[in-house]
Amino acid sequence: DTGVSQDPRHKITKRGQNVTFRCDPISEHNRLYWYRQTLGQGPEFLTYFQNEAQLEKSRLLSDRFSAERPKGSFSTLEIQRTEQGDSAMYLCASSSRQAANTEAFFGQGTRLTVV
Amino acid sequence: QQQVKQSPQSLIVQKGGIPIINCAYENTAFDYFPWYQQFPGKGPALLIAIRPDVSEKKEGRFTISFNKSAKQFSLHIMDSQPGDSATYFCAASRGSQGNLIFGKGTKLSVKP
Repeated sequence: DTGVSQDPRHKITKRGQNVTFRCDPISEHNRLYWYRQTLGQGPEFLTYFQNEAQLEKSRLLSDRFSAERPKGSFSTLEIQRTEQGDSAMYLCASSSRQAANTEAFFGQGTRLTVV
Repeated sequence: QQQVKQSPQSLIVQKGGIPIINCAYENTAFDYFPWYQQFPGKGPALLIAIRPDVSEKKEGRFTISFNKSAKQFSLHIMDSQPGDSATYFCAASRGSQGNLIFGKGTKLSVKP
């Protein structure tokens, strides 16, 4: 499978705990995006990397959230001190800089439930 | 402020019908308009996309119509099938920035 891979697929955590998600993009893609999707809504942009550089962060990305892409390959998204409002599907997408615009391919997401 | 407005919220059609989903945008800097299809528990999958230099694009049973002056675009699904039942999202982005602004989605149900 050469698509975008996310791990884990599901995570249940207690309020206040830290969680970390991983995304492996399509191998030749140098752009990687994180989105959050709540029930009945469209995905909302969180942050984006070009290679290892984090180029943009949404105002949705509070100081409890941090994302890294250390070698320009896989990425991690960490949420510290989780709150019930963090419950959502976290989606990763990747695209190639070669495209005039982005054709973003999404992974299957990590569903986070904070109890 | 919602930058991409999508309607209707839900849609039910009979097999063979032509559902139409509409989107409107405000930011004239947007120059890439994709549609995504999402099944429950799955990530969105790119269906078809259009740029503002054309007014229509067809791929298989899916057609995008684009009206630049009205800042509106729509998705038409020809000969709809029960397997098309899913949630459809329109989106828009600016140039090389690439992060997509999504509409709120339309849940389509195609009855056999």
